Amino acid sequence: DSGVTQTPKHLITATGQRVTLRCSPRSGDLSVYWYQQSLDQGLQFLIQYYNGEERAKGNILERFSAQQFPDLHSELNLSSLELGDSALYFCASSASAGTDNTGELFFGEGSRLTVL
Amino acid sequence: AQKVTQAQTEISVVEKEDVTLDCVYETRDTTYYLFWYKQPPSGELVFLIRRNSFDEQNEISGRYSWNFQKSTSSFNFTITASQVVDSAVYFCALSEARWGRDDKIIFGKGTRLHILP
Repeated sequence: DSGVTQTPKHLITATGQRVTLRCSPRSGDLSVYWYQQSLDQGLQFLIQYYNGEERAKGNILERFSAQQFPDLHSELNLSSLELGDSALYFCASSASAGTDNTGELFFGEGSRLTVL
Repeated sequence: AQKVTQAQTEISVVEKEDVTLDCVYETRDTTYYLFWYKQPPSGELVFLIRRNSFDEQNEISGRYSWNFQKSTSSFNFTITASQVVDSAVYFCALSEARWGRDDKIIFGKGTRLHILP
Protein backbone atom coordinates (compact mmCIF):
# COMPACT_ATOMS: atom_id res chain seq x y z
CA ASP A 1 0.00 0.00 0.00
CA SER A 2 1.61 3.24 -1.20
CA GLY A 3 -0.56 5.45 0.97
CA VAL A 4 -1.97 7.29 -2.05
CA THR A 5 -5.71 6.88 -2.48
CA GLN A 6 -7.54 7.38 -5.72
CA THR A 7 -11.26 7.33 -6.31
CA PRO A 8 -13.13 6.02 -8.14
CA LYS A 9 -11.24 2.90 -9.16
CA HIS A 10 -13.41 2.38 -12.19
CA LEU A 11 -15.63 4.76 -14.09
CA ILE A 12 -17.71 4.24 -17.21
CA THR A 13 -19.28 7.19 -18.90
CA ALA A 14 -20.40 8.46 -22.28
CA THR A 15 -18.82 10.81 -24.77
CA GLY A 16 -19.42 14.46 -24.03
CA GLN A 17 -19.70 13.91 -20.30
CA ARG A 18 -17.57 15.32 -17.49
CA VAL A 19 -15.92 13.37 -14.69
CA THR A 20 -13.83 14.18 -11.66
CA LEU A 21 -11.06 11.96 -10.39
CA ARG A 22 -9.90 12.38 -6.84
CA CYS A 23 -6.54 11.78 -5.21
CA SER A 24 -5.45 11.85 -1.59
CA PRO A 25 -1.66 11.93 -1.29
CA ARG A 26 0.39 10.19 1.35
CA SER A 27 0.20 11.89 4.69
CA GLY A 28 2.61 14.81 4.67
CA ASP A 29 3.38 14.76 0.95
CA LEU A 30 3.07 18.19 -0.63
CA SER A 31 3.47 17.27 -4.29
CA VAL A 32 0.81 15.62 -6.39
CA TYR A 33 1.33 14.43 -9.95
CA TRP A 34 -1.22 13.23 -12.48
CA TYR A 35 -0.33 10.76 -15.22
CA GLN A 36 -2.39 9.21 -18.00
CA GLN A 37 -1.63 5.67 -19.11
CA SER A 38 -3.16 4.53 -22.36
CA LEU A 39 -2.25 1.39 -24.28
CA ASP A 40 -0.09 2.96 -26.92
CA GLN A 41 1.27 6.01 -25.12
CA GLY A 42 2.78 4.68 -21.95
CA LEU A 43 2.73 6.99 -18.96
CA GLN A 44 2.07 10.55 -20.01
CA PHE A 45 2.71 13.32 -17.51
CA LEU A 46 -0.25 15.64 -17.22
CA ILE A 47 0.34 18.08 -14.39
CA GLN A 48 2.00 18.57 -11.02
CA TYR A 49 0.93 20.58 -7.99
CA TYR A 50 3.02 21.52 -5.02
CA ASN A 51 1.35 22.75 -1.87
CA GLY A 52 -1.66 24.05 -3.76
CA GLU A 53 0.15 25.66 -6.66
CA GLU A 54 0.66 24.37 -10.17
CA ARG A 55 4.34 23.45 -10.54
CA ALA A 56 4.72 21.73 -13.90
CA LYS A 57 2.53 21.04 -16.86
CA GLY A 58 2.77 18.31 -19.45
CA ASN A 59 0.63 17.49 -22.45
CA ILE A 60 -2.61 18.15 -20.67
CA LEU A 61 -5.55 18.89 -22.92
CA GLU A 62 -7.51 22.10 -22.50
CA ARG A 63 -10.56 19.96 -21.73
CA PHE A 64 -8.74 18.71 -18.64
CA SER A 65 -8.06 20.71 -15.52
CA ALA A 66 -6.78 19.99 -12.06
CA GLN A 67 -6.38 21.60 -8.69
CA GLN A 68 -4.91 20.89 -5.30
CA PHE A 69 -6.88 21.92 -2.27
CA PRO A 70 -5.66 23.29 1.08
CA ASP A 71 -5.90 19.81 2.61
CA LEU A 72 -3.54 18.71 -0.22
CA HIS A 73 -5.94 16.38 -1.94
CA SER A 74 -6.20 16.88 -5.68
CA GLU A 75 -8.87 16.54 -8.31
CA LEU A 76 -8.51 16.00 -12.04
CA ASN A 77 -11.48 17.18 -14.05
CA LEU A 78 -12.04 15.76 -17.51
CA SER A 79 -14.74 17.34 -19.64
CA SER A 80 -16.26 16.88 -23.09
CA LEU A 81 -14.99 13.34 -22.94
CA GLU A 82 -13.97 11.54 -26.10
CA LEU A 83 -13.41 7.87 -26.78
CA GLY A 84 -9.66 8.48 -26.81
CA ASP A 85 -9.74 9.67 -23.21
CA SER A 86 -10.29 6.11 -22.07
CA ALA A 87 -7.22 5.32 -20.01
CA LEU A 88 -5.84 4.60 -16.59
CA TYR A 89 -5.23 7.82 -14.70
CA PHE A 90 -2.60 7.67 -11.99
CA CYS A 91 -2.00 10.05 -9.19
CA ALA A 92 1.35 10.09 -7.44
CA SER A 93 2.72 12.02 -4.52
CA SER A 94 6.12 12.90 -3.16
CA ALA A 95 7.35 14.68 -0.11
CA SER A 96 8.98 17.52 -1.94
CA ALA A 97 8.75 19.51 -5.15
CA GLY A 98 10.23 16.83 -7.36
CA THR A 99 13.62 15.40 -6.67
CA ASP A 100 15.29 17.25 -3.84
CA ASN A 101 14.33 14.41 -1.56
CA THR A 102 14.51 10.79 -2.62
CA GLY A 103 12.76 11.55 -5.87
CA GLU A 104 10.54 8.59 -5.33
CA LEU A 105 6.98 8.95 -6.46
CA PHE A 106 4.35 6.98 -4.61
CA PHE A 107 1.59 5.96 -6.98
CA GLY A 108 -2.03 5.28 -6.30
CA GLU A 109 -3.75 2.28 -7.85
CA GLY A 110 -5.19 4.40 -10.61
CA SER A 111 -8.65 5.28 -11.85
CA ARG A 112 -9.69 3.39 -14.95
CA LEU A 113 -11.88 5.55 -17.15
CA THR A 114 -13.88 4.02 -19.95
CA VAL A 115 -15.65 6.36 -22.35
CA LEU A 116 -18.34 4.73 -24.46
CA ALA B 1 13.73 18.85 -23.81
CA GLN B 2 13.91 15.66 -21.84
CA LYS B 3 13.13 12.33 -23.42
CA VAL B 4 13.32 8.67 -22.44
CA THR B 5 13.47 5.91 -25.02
CA GLN B 6 12.86 2.27 -24.26
CA ALA B 7 13.34 0.68 -27.64
CA GLN B 8 12.28 -2.79 -26.52
CA THR B 9 8.50 -2.86 -26.52
CA GLU B 10 8.20 -6.47 -25.42
CA ILE B 11 10.67 -9.17 -24.38
CA SER B 12 10.11 -12.83 -23.62
CA VAL B 13 12.68 -15.03 -21.94
CA VAL B 14 12.61 -18.41 -20.31
CA GLU B 15 12.81 -18.54 -16.55
CA LYS B 16 16.35 -18.43 -15.11
CA GLU B 17 17.72 -16.59 -18.10
CA ASP B 18 19.29 -13.16 -17.64
CA VAL B 19 17.59 -10.24 -19.36
CA THR B 20 18.61 -6.63 -19.90
CA LEU B 21 16.14 -3.81 -20.41
CA ASP B 22 17.54 -0.85 -22.28
CA CYS B 23 16.94 2.80 -21.50
CA VAL B 24 18.36 5.77 -23.36
CA TYR B 25 17.67 9.30 -22.22
CA GLU B 26 18.08 12.82 -23.51
CA THR B 27 18.56 15.91 -21.43
CA ARG B 28 20.41 19.20 -21.68
CA ASP B 29 20.90 19.44 -17.95
CA THR B 30 24.02 18.31 -16.14
CA THR B 31 22.04 17.51 -13.02
CA TYR B 32 19.27 15.02 -13.43
CA TYR B 33 17.81 11.86 -11.93
CA LEU B 34 17.02 8.53 -13.48
CA PHE B 35 14.52 6.00 -12.21
CA TRP B 36 13.16 2.56 -12.88
CA TYR B 37 9.62 1.58 -11.97
CA LYS B 38 7.89 -1.77 -12.21
CA GLN B 39 4.22 -2.26 -13.08
CA PRO B 40 3.14 -5.85 -12.38
CA PRO B 41 -0.10 -7.26 -13.84
CA SER B 42 -2.00 -5.94 -10.82
CA GLY B 43 -1.40 -2.44 -12.19
CA GLU B 44 0.31 -0.56 -9.39
CA LEU B 45 3.59 1.23 -10.05
CA VAL B 46 6.48 0.24 -7.84
CA PHE B 47 9.65 2.28 -7.43
CA LEU B 48 12.82 0.27 -8.00
CA ILE B 49 15.74 2.67 -8.09
CA ARG B 50 16.82 6.30 -8.33
CA ARG B 51 20.22 7.42 -9.56
CA ASN B 52 21.56 10.95 -9.82
CA SER B 53 23.67 12.12 -12.70
CA PHE B 54 26.82 12.44 -10.61
CA ASP B 55 26.84 8.85 -9.48
CA GLU B 56 27.88 6.48 -12.25
CA GLN B 57 28.55 3.55 -9.98
CA ASN B 58 26.67 0.47 -10.97
CA GLU B 59 24.21 -0.80 -8.42
CA ILE B 60 23.18 -4.31 -7.52
CA SER B 61 20.21 -5.29 -5.45
CA GLY B 62 19.73 -9.02 -5.27
CA ARG B 63 19.01 -10.26 -8.78
CA TYR B 64 18.62 -6.71 -10.07
CA SER B 65 21.45 -4.57 -11.34
CA TRP B 66 21.66 -1.24 -13.07
CA ASN B 67 24.31 0.08 -15.42
CA PHE B 68 24.49 3.85 -15.78
CA GLN B 69 26.72 5.22 -18.54
CA LYS B 70 26.69 8.94 -19.12
CA SER B 71 28.87 8.58 -22.21
CA THR B 72 26.08 6.75 -23.99
CA SER B 73 23.18 8.35 -22.05
CA SER B 74 22.00 4.94 -21.00
CA PHE B 75 20.63 3.48 -17.80
CA ASN B 76 20.11 -0.20 -18.42
CA PHE B 77 18.47 -2.67 -16.06
CA THR B 78 19.47 -6.33 -15.83
CA ILE B 79 17.57 -9.10 -14.12
CA THR B 80 19.72 -12.11 -13.38
CA ALA B 81 18.21 -15.59 -13.13
CA SER B 82 14.77 -14.28 -14.04
CA GLN B 83 11.66 -15.61 -12.33
CA VAL B 84 8.04 -15.70 -13.40
CA VAL B 85 7.25 -13.07 -10.78
CA ASP B 86 9.46 -10.65 -12.68
CA SER B 87 6.87 -10.53 -15.44
CA ALA B 88 5.74 -6.93 -15.59
CA VAL B 89 6.04 -3.70 -17.52
CA TYR B 90 9.19 -1.82 -16.60
CA PHE B 91 9.45 1.93 -16.99
CA CYS B 92 12.56 4.04 -17.12
CA ALA B 93 12.10 7.68 -16.13
CA LEU B 94 14.02 10.96 -16.05
CA SER B 95 13.75 14.12 -14.03
CA GLU B 96 15.74 17.26 -14.54
CA ALA B 97 16.47 18.72 -11.13
CA ARG B 98 15.13 22.20 -11.51
CA TRP B 99 14.84 22.77 -7.80
CA GLY B 100 11.43 24.27 -7.52
CA ARG B 101 10.75 24.98 -11.16
CA ASP B 102 9.66 22.49 -13.76
CA ASP B 103 10.69 19.21 -12.19
CA LYS B 104 8.30 16.73 -13.71
CA ILE B 105 9.34 13.11 -14.10
CA ILE B 106 9.10 11.86 -17.65
CA PHE B 107 8.59 8.15 -18.32
CA GLY B 108 9.55 6.02 -21.26
CA LYS B 109 6.87 3.94 -22.95
CA GLY B 110 7.86 0.88 -20.99
CA THR B 111 9.11 -2.60 -21.80
CA ARG B 112 6.72 -5.49 -21.26
CA LEU B 113 8.70 -8.43 -19.91
CA HIS B 114 7.34 -11.98 -20.09
CA ILE B 115 9.15 -14.64 -18.11
CA LEU B 116 8.11 -18.04 -19.41
CA PRO B 117 8.11 -21.01 -17.04
